[in-house]
Amino acid sequence: QVQLVESGGGVVQPGRSLTLSCAASGFTFSNYGMHWVRQAPGKGLEWVAVIWYDGSVKYYADSVKGRFTISRDNSRNTLYLQMNSLRVDDTAVFYCTRGTRPMGPFDYWGQGTLVTVSS
Amino acid sequence: QSALTQPASVSGSPGQSITISCTGISSDVGTYNYVSWYQQHPGKVPKLMIYDVNNRPSGVSDRFSGSMSGNTASLTISGLQAEDEADYYCSSYTARSTRGVFGGGTKLSVL
Repeated sequence: QVQLVESGGGVVQPGRSLTLSCAASGFTFSNYGMHWVRQAPGKGLEWVAVIWYDGSVKYYADSVKGRFTISRDNSRNTLYLQMNSLRVDDTAVFYCTRGTRPMGPFDYWGQGTLVTVSS
Repeated sequence: QSALTQPASVSGSPGQSITISCTGISSDVGTYNYVSWYQQHPGKVPKLMIYDVNNRPSGVSDRFSGSMSGNTASLTISGLQAEDEADYYCSSYTARSTRGVFGGGTKLSVL
């Protein structure tokens, strides 16, 4: 069965960096575009970034562009999100999701990993 | 990509039908709009309920249906059940999208 397992969340000070990982299993990872979606406490879903199945194309939300970098290692079936210059308003649960087409829909979601940016 | 607007809340009684709207679907001429809907119970992971406007993934109850008219997509839940109480989010993109987008979410209360 399809599984997406995020890791790497935690508490970090403003301005610092953090890298999230998402280990995928149960499907051919290299065939799918993958996304990061986040949800601030008590708020709605916010799309963060996408990476094409082969890593050739990446798009970002304006709120993270220039600070976050999405990447993938198809040999390790793993998706990453490198987050630099973190801000307090980046505090959220970050979900790894699979897109059935490059830009969605998102048919499988990980359980999420909480990132808290606080001094 | 433009924002998608949903009502903050809707409510209904068991057995009734409710509809949640999602306004602001891109109207790029000649491109197809891919609209999907997600259900999220408190503290849980979002679940895909409808994709490509009106298609249900395997395992989703046929009480859930989708439609679209103009720049507004709609999710209808018929035969409302207590377990349907959750937050619902719409999402949309076109073949030329370079950004994902979600609606603000609608809290469904089953009275």
